Amino acid sequence: ETGVTQTPRHLVMGMTNKKSLKCEQHLGHNAMYWYKQSAKKPLELMFVYSLEERVENNSVPSRFSPECPNSSHLFLHLHTLQPEDSALYLCASSRDRTYGYTFGSGTRLTVV
Amino acid sequence: RKEVEQDPGPFNVPEGATVAFNCTYSNSASQSFFWYRQDCRKEPKLLMSVYSSGNEDGRFTAQLNRASQYISLLIRDSKLSDSATYLCAVDSGTASKLTFGTGTRLQVTL
Repeated sequence: ETGVTQTPRHLVMGMTNKKSLKCEQHLGHNAMYWYKQSAKKPLELMFVYSLEERVENNSVPSRFSPECPNSSHLFLHLHTLQPEDSALYLCASSRDRTYGYTFGSGTRLTVV
Repeated sequence: RKEVEQDPGPFNVPEGATVAFNCTYSNSASQSFFWYRQDCRKEPKLLMSVYSSGNEDGRFTAQLNRASQYISLLIRDSKLSDSATYLCAVDSGTASKLTFGTGTRLQVTL
């Protein structure tokens, strides 16, 4: 079982749909993150959860809504997305700042 | 100035060559530095941490220059399998948050 598992791997959704991305980590880490990766752009930090508490929200539109029910699970709820939201969404976890992140395999999202 | 900057490349090198990438950062309070490798359409994977004294892992050497605020990655004896995008990551100085560069693409050829 991999350290950080993301589902689904691929998602195509219409602009009026509601969907959720799921992330689960099996590493005992206490921080979890959502990043967005678009072509030709650096990874953009969206949300940070530390010990299940959201500690950062980087001016992300409200059509993205995170949820962290416990230290092992992280969700990203999506609704009324725009085509420009199409990207690779990566979940990551970390033990602390000195150890770097472990990423999940990502969800490739296409909004049509 | 961007928080973390990298030359996007691509760097095209023949097998066996030595290649080096630099990454500059703007936050002098940053404490933790990393190099990640990302293959096409895959997630980034941690390649190595960068320590103040420099560190080496096989053909890979990472160094930190705090005075000039950059980190470097040296790859010796390049292999075809080293072809990938190399991302540097720097912490914010105050929290467990990493800022990534855009990545440098390396293509190793026969």
